[in-house]
Amino acid sequence: QQQVKQSPQSLIVQKGGISIINCAYENTAFDYFPWYQQFPGKGPALLIAIRPDVSEKKEGRFTISFNKSAKQFSLHIMDSQPGDSATYFCAARPNRGYGNKLVFGAGTILRVKS
Amino acid sequence: DAGVIQSPRHEVTEMGQEVTLRCKPISGHNSLFWYRQTMMRGLELLIYFNNNVPIDDSGMPEDRFSAKMPNASFSTLKIQPSEPRDSAVYFCASTPGRGDYSGDTEAFFGQGTRLTVV
Repeated sequence: QQQVKQSPQSLIVQKGGISIINCAYENTAFDYFPWYQQFPGKGPALLIAIRPDVSEKKEGRFTISFNKSAKQFSLHIMDSQPGDSATYFCAARPNRGYGNKLVFGAGTILRVKS
Repeated sequence: DAGVIQSPRHEVTEMGQEVTLRCKPISGHNSLFWYRQTMMRGLELLIYFNNNVPIDDSGMPEDRFSAKMPNASFSTLKIQPSEPRDSAVYFCASTPGRGDYSGDTEAFFGQGTRLTVV
């Protein structure tokens, strides 16, 4: 049962544009929200992450916006570049139990057209 | 460090055969995860270990799937017998977390094993 819903499934953006990917989670308690980037033939790699006590986090061209009351968070890629073309996964970590178990969204395939 | 190492990178097998996927986590990492990736279902967590002990195997789809971690540097995921619907990319990931949710722990993924069952 998927607990993190991600949209859109795919996205095409012009070079220089803004890419926006959205995620929503359900009633399970989560305490950490990372985004992973995956290039073809590679494993996912951590891109940026946020804790629920912060509403926004920015690292270079990548920004996470977090709305705790709405249980939604999004990734914004400013000045999108062809090299950003990849699959992006949002994820959430339950705040109980062991380890760094992550629940992933279904993924968004981003294509940046030059 | 070479990162998480998975083998083989590609595996093609016939339905009914046994398949064994292998993973070497990053040295010093305490938690190990097996994920399956398909177009239809995305990234699914199959099982994870903490300090070589299986913690949660609720994602293992059927009894045909089994996973072991005999020591801190090696894990296997076995499918016996394999079926065409098992075709997917299987990822292994490890984290340095102590297992008690301390800090924001990054999961490091291997490059995956692409399994095709014909």
